[in-house]
Amino acid sequence: GAVVSQHPSWVICKSGTSVKIECRSLDFQATTMFWYRQFPKQSLMLMATSNEGSKATYEQGVEKDKFLINHASLTLSTLTVTSAHPEDSSFYICSALKSVNEQYFGPGTRLTVT
Amino acid sequence: AQTVTQSQPEMSVQEAETVTLSCTYDTSESDYYLFWYKQPPSRQMILVIRQEAYKQQNATENRFSVNFQKAAKSFSLKISDSQLGDAAMYFCAYRRRDNYGQNFVFGPGTRLSVLP
Repeated sequence: GAVVSQHPSWVICKSGTSVKIECRSLDFQATTMFWYRQFPKQSLMLMATSNEGSKATYEQGVEKDKFLINHASLTLSTLTVTSAHPEDSSFYICSALKSVNEQYFGPGTRLTVT
Repeated sequence: AQTVTQSQPEMSVQEAETVTLSCTYDTSESDYYLFWYKQPPSRQMILVIRQEAYKQQNATENRFSVNFQKAAKSFSLKISDSQLGDAAMYFCAYRRRDNYGQNFVFGPGTRLSVLP
């Protein structure tokens, strides 16, 4: 297997502030990482595909100016939720692609916006 | 666009018994991958089993096996000798083979309860 870490595991922030979530592949390099959002008792919803050294590809309906993604190295991608609002409260999961059919997930970040 | 359907929102099984979770998908591609992921209460997604569409032999991983019917676009997961630790959400997923940038398509999930 392979290990993907995510930090923080949970965060509470005030409405209007920004919060950054880090996703790291610890024992492999990942050209491609994915960011998902998961609502309670629902499936994973892909937000964006993060490619090292290039701009992220956002899914339809996901605001790129609100959810900033930076894939600065082959082991790190970050998701910044800007000007967070209570409706942004959710569980955010990242994953990293080790090969075309090997996707490893981070443990997730629970974001609560008050 | 590809879609993945899991028609059983919830399933339950008695400990030590066998249970089968259903998954169907829709694609026009001939070469792709199929996956079953498990999400326990910790919410950490864990790969259970993976199938390559060009392989006719059904994948197996210990107590987990699949029944892959390519023509019917069906990919069911069988869990044998169910254990309490198998209780989780199970997601079926699809991915095209030829493109690193292509995302995974997940089904809506099946919640499995294991009864002692």
